[in-house]
Amino acid sequence: KQEVTQIPAALSVPEGENLVLNCSFTDSAIYNLQWFRQDPGKGLTSLLLIQSSQREQTSGRLNASLDKSSGRSTLYIAASQPGDSATYLCAVRLGTSGSRLTFGEGTQLTVNP
Amino acid sequence: DGGITQSPKYLFRKEGQNVTLSCEQNLNHDAMYWYRQDPGQGLRLIYYSQIVNDFQKGDIAEGYSVSREKKESFPLTVTSAQKNPTAFYLCASSATGTGANRGGSPLHFGNGTRLTVT
Repeated sequence: KQEVTQIPAALSVPEGENLVLNCSFTDSAIYNLQWFRQDPGKGLTSLLLIQSSQREQTSGRLNASLDKSSGRSTLYIAASQPGDSATYLCAVRLGTSGSRLTFGEGTQLTVNP
Repeated sequence: DGGITQSPKYLFRKEGQNVTLSCEQNLNHDAMYWYRQDPGQGLRLIYYSQIVNDFQKGDIAEGYSVSREKKESFPLTVTSAQKNPTAFYLCASSATGTGANRGGSPLHFGNGTRLTVT
């Protein structure tokens, strides 16, 4: 059974700092990995999707990397801003069943002005 | 604008009553999903559907039922058999490709329904 772990569970940083969020998964037979942002009481917003054949994806100040062999992904946020404060979740889409995603528990990020 | 609409945003029910949560999408996506989120936890899959008139159980399907009569709609019924129904329920959808692109599309979420059962 695929398990997804996110470390740390919570992170507090001063504004302007670069930071890295970690995601690890136990089964490397994945189709893709997706990073989401969730604001309190809201649904999830997709940030980046990395296909299994890709190593990284970038969008603005966000960069996500994928290392399938080691079962790891990182989300790098450059020059953090208070508006980045949210919970960040990663999810992997299994290779054996193309529709199912397994989510990590998320990292709650607070960026202090 | 295309998107996923969940209604209502907040729902209150008495214990023992069935309740149906609505999820509608106009993204022309084939696949739809229901997740449950509890405080401090990740999302857990309840049911999913890859095509009209077909759906599969997720990891925590007991006490829930779904239907997929139309491509746009995937309602979730929380039955009285569900032991701990109070939670935040999220609906999602994605396009489905074929062959090597079968799993390649991102998941889009609605804004959720917060169900409280007392």
